[in-house]
Amino acid sequence: DAKTTQPTSMDCAEGRAANLPCNHSTISGNEYVYWYRQIHSQGPQYIIHGLKNNETNEMASLIITEDRKSSTLILPHATLRDTAVYYCIVRVAGKLSFGAGTTVTVRA
Amino acid sequence: GAVVSQHPSWVICKSGTSVKIECRSLDFQATTMFWYRQFPKQSLMLMATSNEGSKATYEQGVEKDKFLINHASLTLSTLTVTSAHPEDSSFYICSARATGPHTEAFFGQGTRLTVV
Repeated sequence: DAKTTQPTSMDCAEGRAANLPCNHSTISGNEYVYWYRQIHSQGPQYIIHGLKNNETNEMASLIITEDRKSSTLILPHATLRDTAVYYCIVRVAGKLSFGAGTTVTVRA
Repeated sequence: GAVVSQHPSWVICKSGTSVKIECRSLDFQATTMFWYRQFPKQSLMLMATSNEGSKATYEQGVEKDKFLINHASLTLSTLTVTSAHPEDSSFYICSARATGPHTEAFFGQGTRLTVV
């Protein structure tokens, strides 16, 4: 069972930052938050993960609140190719359980 | 990121036959591999977890005798759908993770199975 809740969908404008929220209020102290995305008919693509510190890589930034009950994935400059379903996942017992995710549509 | 390759990308088989799907980690050793199934307009559902050299652990409701998983090496896991039926038609996706408690898992491109 997924331990996260995400908005069902969101739109964002090409070239603007996309901020994707995720709630994980029941997260335990040693559980990591992972973000993946799935473009239609492909396997999920790893984006980023974190425990309690903010993280940044070439794809995105992950901001985790101090109480770790929520996080935000930031795509700094969204492009049309970022249109996908984005999954926020708390890994439990080494397994990734996918919820419904957020369908992000980037519009020109 | 690391590369996980699935083969075939798509397969059509007749009802009652068996189909084998391969999952390979190309540039790292995968101590743990996972198999998922995804029906249209739904999310991924974890079917089973396999550790190299051990029997797979199946999620509740997944028939282990129907979905045979073998993880004989650190770079290869196979999923065999035995006696396939049309309701087994789905998108099957594997993922692989290297050793370590906080390493990320990488996913294959998926296999579209159609049983006719």
